[in-house]
Amino acid sequence: DSGVTQTPKHLITATGQRVTLRCSPRSGDLSVYWYQQSLDQGLQFLIQYYNGEERAKGNILERFSAQQFPDLHSELNLSSLELGDSALYFCASGGYYGYTFGSGTRLTVV
Amino acid sequence: AQSVTQPDIHITVSEGASLELRCNYSYGATPYLFWYVQSPGQGLQLLLKYFSGDTLVQGIKGFEAEFKRSQSSFNLRKPSVHWSDAAEYFCAVGPNSGGSNYKLTFGKGTLLTVNP
Repeated sequence: DSGVTQTPKHLITATGQRVTLRCSPRSGDLSVYWYQQSLDQGLQFLIQYYNGEERAKGNILERFSAQQFPDLHSELNLSSLELGDSALYFCASGGYYGYTFGSGTRLTVV
Repeated sequence: AQSVTQPDIHITVSEGASLELRCNYSYGATPYLFWYVQSPGQGLQLLLKYFSGDTLVQGIKGFEAEFKRSQSSFNLRKPSVHWSDAAEYFCAVGPNSGGSNYKLTFGKGTLLTVNP
């Protein structure tokens, strides 16, 4: 157990649908980072939150959004899903001392 | 902007052989450097990190890495590879300071296959 909790572990949904992925960071970490990993694109940084505020944006599509709540857990919302959104979605927490990754959510869009 | 290059997409070694995975970075100053390992279907796990001081750093699972400023490199090594080391390895670089905007940049990874 890395200390970063992601739910659900697996998600299968249809094109056009909307899903929410959840992440609880390691105790004491204020930053949450979201990544998408697919075979063709590799590990792609999506977005970072720090103590409830957005701090950095990467290759995040407009159909995707995220937020971090007062208890520091974060949610990644993916809408109007397409087949190409099928991937592993990782959450990490940490900072300059290193990141701790969760075990990921495997999203399959059918 | 910071960047990381892992020149080898895929490396195959025999069990018991030595291993070196290459990592080159681009950064204006001496960065913080990290190596992560990802087993199939798992999240990334931190193997080791370099902040400052001794340029040879030891990590978990018998891995070590050497920071070479002149070559902008941070190569990962292991003297004798075990079958369980088969995984994907990611090098990452970040600024040499903290802050709420801290963000690591990851390389594209090197997939390690271990032959019996």
